[in-house]
Amino acid sequence: GQQVMQIPQYQHVQEGEDFTTYCNSSTTLSNIQWYKQRPGGHPVFLIQLVKSGEVKKQKRLTFQFGEAKKNSSLHITATQTTDVGTYFCAGYSGGGADGLTFGKGTHLIIQP
Amino acid sequence: DAGVTQSPTHLIKTRGQQVTLRCSPKSGHDTVSWYQQALGQGPQFIFQYYEEEERQRGNFPDRFSGHQFPNYSSELNVNALLLGDSALYLCASSWDRGITEAFFGQGTRLTVV
Repeated sequence: GQQVMQIPQYQHVQEGEDFTTYCNSSTTLSNIQWYKQRPGGHPVFLIQLVKSGEVKKQKRLTFQFGEAKKNSSLHITATQTTDVGTYFCAGYSGGGADGLTFGKGTHLIIQP
Repeated sequence: DAGVTQSPTHLIKTRGQQVTLRCSPKSGHDTVSWYQQALGQGPQFIFQYYEEEERQRGNFPDRFSGHQFPNYSSELNVNALLLGDSALYLCASSWDRGITEAFFGQGTRLTVV
């Protein structure tokens, strides 16, 4: 079945540094979604990418979808303590496939 | 407008028992998906309900079953509980069979002892 790999598993940064997490799917995706989960919380939707090569920005967050629609990345510029949490990518293949397939997530730890 | 609500928030069961978890979707949403999230892992897709039918299913045994009611609320049932079923069970609702964003509930923390 479809697999979504996400790296790194953990990322420690100093506050103010940049952060990037990468996501790779074993199959071509119809769309990819990104979620953030705070410790003890539930996943909260950040964005969805649909088009090949798409780039979207939300303030300090930049999301990219690869040309082959099999990989994606999330980049945070100048991290803040409020960015702490686990960032998940979730791929959707469409065509009656197995719902959203989540990566294992990248845990972002920020040191002040 | 209430978001996705799940009950109960926490539950402790004994091996071999059965459990029912409940979910009310966000207003206007007709699709409910269930996920299992083990500690430190990403959510794993269990199944999705739309128009009161199971439409998609992940790689979970038949011990996991569900139901969707006419008001779009949903239940997840797990029979013959195993220790490995201990996890956070998340319900997510959407309005188009999950093609766009999913709104997650707070989850039910199930502990099997």
